[in-house]
Amino acid sequence: IAGITQAPTSQILAAGRRMTLRCTQDMRHNAMYWYRQDLGLGLRLIHYSNTAGTTGKGEVPDGYSVSRANTDDFPLTLASAVPSQTSVYFCASSAGGGQPQHFGDGTRLSIL
Amino acid sequence: QKEVEQDPGPLSVPEGAIVSLNCTYSNSAFQYFMWYRQYSRKGPELLMYTYSSGNKEDGRFTAQVDKSSKYISLFIRDSQPSDSATYLCAMTPSGTYKYIFGTGTRLKVLA
Repeated sequence: IAGITQAPTSQILAAGRRMTLRCTQDMRHNAMYWYRQDLGLGLRLIHYSNTAGTTGKGEVPDGYSVSRANTDDFPLTLASAVPSQTSVYFCASSAGGGQPQHFGDGTRLSIL
Repeated sequence: QKEVEQDPGPLSVPEGAIVSLNCTYSNSAFQYFMWYRQYSRKGPELLMYTYSSGNKEDGRFTAQVDKSSKYISLFIRDSQPSDSATYLCAMTPSGTYKYIFGTGTRLKVLA
């Protein structure tokens, strides 16, 4: 079944550690996105990429970095995790800007 | 003020009822509107996608957009217990990659 695969599904991490969340899509969509979802705050955009080789900042980019080496993969890296980055992280893709987004099932990350 | 406002609920209805879910927004530049359903511990699942004003129907679901009032709605007919989930609205201006989501309305359909 076509879609978005995220890994790991959950992780507990010590503060100060480096962590990379993986995201792969098989729909050949040009655009990919990373969101965090927190209770009462909804989905907030961290970073996005409108095509391979290009990335952009969203609403809450601080403490996170991304890369887009090819169409299918869009990893999100926390260079030095802090407890405020405890959240559920969702990767999404769309054919282009303004097009409907398709989401993975998320990574639940706890920073202690 | 948030760009998109959505009542968090929870909204409890009996099975078979018609459900109305709503979002209001403040940015007149929004052109594309989406509704997502999210089950617990799952990612959002696209239900409806509409452009500009008007209605769109898909099975038991109807999406309405009223740009003059900055108001969008999702109607669910003959609601089922399996419709129990959180419903998110989302919207974006034309051609951009920055989508704004509502915080979601939690719906419970009681058997």
